[in-house]
Amino acid sequence: EDKVVQSPLSLVVHEGDTVTLNCSYEVTNFRSLLWYKQEKKAPTFLFMLTSSGIEKKSGRLSSILDKKELFSILNITATQTGDSAVYLCARRGDSGAGSYQLTFGKGTKLSVIP
Amino acid sequence: GAVVSQHPSRVICKSGTSVKIECRSLDFQATTMFWYRQFPKQSLMLMATSNEGSKATYEQGVEKDKFLINHASLTLSTLTVTSAHPEDSSFYICSASSVGGRGILNQPQHFGDGTRLSIL
Repeated sequence: EDKVVQSPLSLVVHEGDTVTLNCSYEVTNFRSLLWYKQEKKAPTFLFMLTSSGIEKKSGRLSSILDKKELFSILNITATQTGDSAVYLCARRGDSGAGSYQLTFGKGTKLSVIP
Repeated sequence: GAVVSQHPSRVICKSGTSVKIECRSLDFQATTMFWYRQFPKQSLMLMATSNEGSKATYEQGVEKDKFLINHASLTLSTLTVTSAHPEDSSFYICSASSVGGRGILNQPQHFGDGTRLSIL
């Protein structure tokens, strides 16, 4: 069973639309949840969520964590073609060796068409 | 801030060659670095956790003799793919966490640009 499940796996929207990306995770040794954006190269950091119910915002992007439901969403408003990318959700857990590893979901591929 | 540099970005070599990939934290000290592997259209899979001054911790199924990791300083970790074969062809990415004032727990991992390895 996957520890981090993202949905949908892919999404095609028109410019200006608002999208919501979903991420559910396993609670074992949970420390925080991170969102990354991956275009052609390596992922770039978007948000790190540790506390439940506190929304984090950066421009048109926002994210929130629900630790009771083991769920997080990433919202993008007024989408632009530059938002086209794979959005990765990662659960940061305590491996017991103090390394705080990330476990990634399969990602949501977002395509924004003009 | 929090820049991670990975080199080389692209390697093409013959089967049997050993390939070394470097991961550097440019503006912060990274006591822990992580090495991931990503196959096409799949997510990142953690291969190993590299701790400065000690042996790396490998994930299940990752051969430690095949993928040698050295983390000799707080700013450099290297991954050497020994005697590479075509099935080792993949996108390898490193990441690092800085030691923040409130402890490593509160610092996100920052990723290098990755190394695309192609073994012919």
